[in-house]
Amino acid sequence: DTEVTQTPKHLVMGMTNKKSLKCEQHMGHRAMYWYKQKAKKPPELMFVYSYEKLSINESVPSRFSPECPNSSLLNLHLHALQPEDSALYLCASSQPNQPQHFGDGTRLSIL
Amino acid sequence: GQNIDQPTEMTATEGAIVQINCTYQTSGFNGLFWYQQHAGEAPTFLSYNVLDGLEEKGRFSSFLSRSKGYSYLLLKELQMKDSASYLCAVRDLATGGSYIPTFGRGTSLIVHP
Repeated sequence: DTEVTQTPKHLVMGMTNKKSLKCEQHMGHRAMYWYKQKAKKPPELMFVYSYEKLSINESVPSRFSPECPNSSLLNLHLHALQPEDSALYLCASSQPNQPQHFGDGTRLSIL
Repeated sequence: GQNIDQPTEMTATEGAIVQINCTYQTSGFNGLFWYQQHAGEAPTFLSYNVLDGLEEKGRFSSFLSRSKGYSYLLLKELQMKDSASYLCAVRDLATGGSYIPTFGRGTSLIVHP
């Protein structure tokens, strides 16, 4: 169990579907992150929110759309994904300059 | 980038000691982290070094030499449950979003009886 909660744990969707990944933390962390991780590879940074504002977008395709409704929640909206987008999507949070706490991830499969 | 290098895979025997090395190149070093990740699970934080020297935490220790761009993670009294991937992550002031570390490719440690 981690202090960062991600839902759903698994998601299978078609290329025309629209779905959302959710992340929640109640540690008072002001930075939240989305990472993508393929098998046997390190996590790759996608987005960073700092104090609820998007501070980093690592050239992620527009079919991924992040949202930070408040300081505890982070969403990742998915639309028209490709098979190569199948991966483990990890959410993390931290105070600035402090270690990141990761959620268990959402394992996403695109048919 | 940080150009982080660590071995792809290591094997060790239960009860033994193993050292996982990480070398890096940065323009403005601002801290090094070690994470453990079991297959299909989230990375969990193990240690943080920003100054030279050894940080000890139970069976795990991490060492840093900034002048050599080198760190190692030392695992003592290995247990089967220590079989996992160990990720070295480096923070570089020279990159945008300087408080965010970049991960190395990870070292897969296999502990056998």
